[in-house]
Amino acid sequence: GENVEQHPSTLSVQEGDSAVIKCTYSDSASNYFPWYKQELGKGPQLIIDIRSNVGEKKDQRIAVTLNKTAKHFSLHITETQPEDSAVYFCAASTSGTYKYIFGTGTRLKVLA
Amino acid sequence: SAVISQKPSRDICQRGTSLTIQCQVDSQVTMMFWYRQQPGQSLTLIATANQGSEATYESGFVIDKFPISRPNLTFSTLTVSNMSPEDSSIYLCSVMEFSTSYTFGSGTRLTVV
Repeated sequence: GENVEQHPSTLSVQEGDSAVIKCTYSDSASNYFPWYKQELGKGPQLIIDIRSNVGEKKDQRIAVTLNKTAKHFSLHITETQPEDSAVYFCAASTSGTYKYIFGTGTRLKVLA
Repeated sequence: SAVISQKPSRDICQRGTSLTIQCQVDSQVTMMFWYRQQPGQSLTLIATANQGSEATYESGFVIDKFPISRPNLTFSTLTVSNMSPEDSSIYLCSVMEFSTSYTFGSGTRLTVV
């Protein structure tokens, strides 16, 4: 069946450094790729998303890149801050459906 | 975006008992969704709740174990029945906005002892 692989499972970076989380999907019909941030004790929150007709999208310190040929997409966080510490989930879906395949999550720790 | 309130935020329950989780949305929505997040794992869709019809369950989830109510367009409940320690998880209520992105509630952290 369809799946999304996410790496790494844990990531520690020094404050101010960049962090990169990568996901690979299997369903070639997927065309919508959101990223969620889950802080301790809270539900996941959408932080950025990208559609398959775009190769890159940026929002301040976060950016997402998509390589449709290789079926992988990545989250990039620059100038990391302690408040970026959280679990990040990627997901893949097809527009118009509610079926998301979520990655297994990356626990990001930003060390002050 | 929609604001979702979930109650309780956490609970510790005895095995064999049931817990009902409530989800309230601040706007009317057609579809509400219930997810399970097992410790250290990803999010798994349990079922979709539509107002006025039976919930639609995903593979591996059954109505007898996870009965769902959807009495109106802003409210839903999920019951975890006859609980065992394997049911210890975070249960998340969510809605889909703009036909693509999920908004999640803060979750109910359930521990079964």
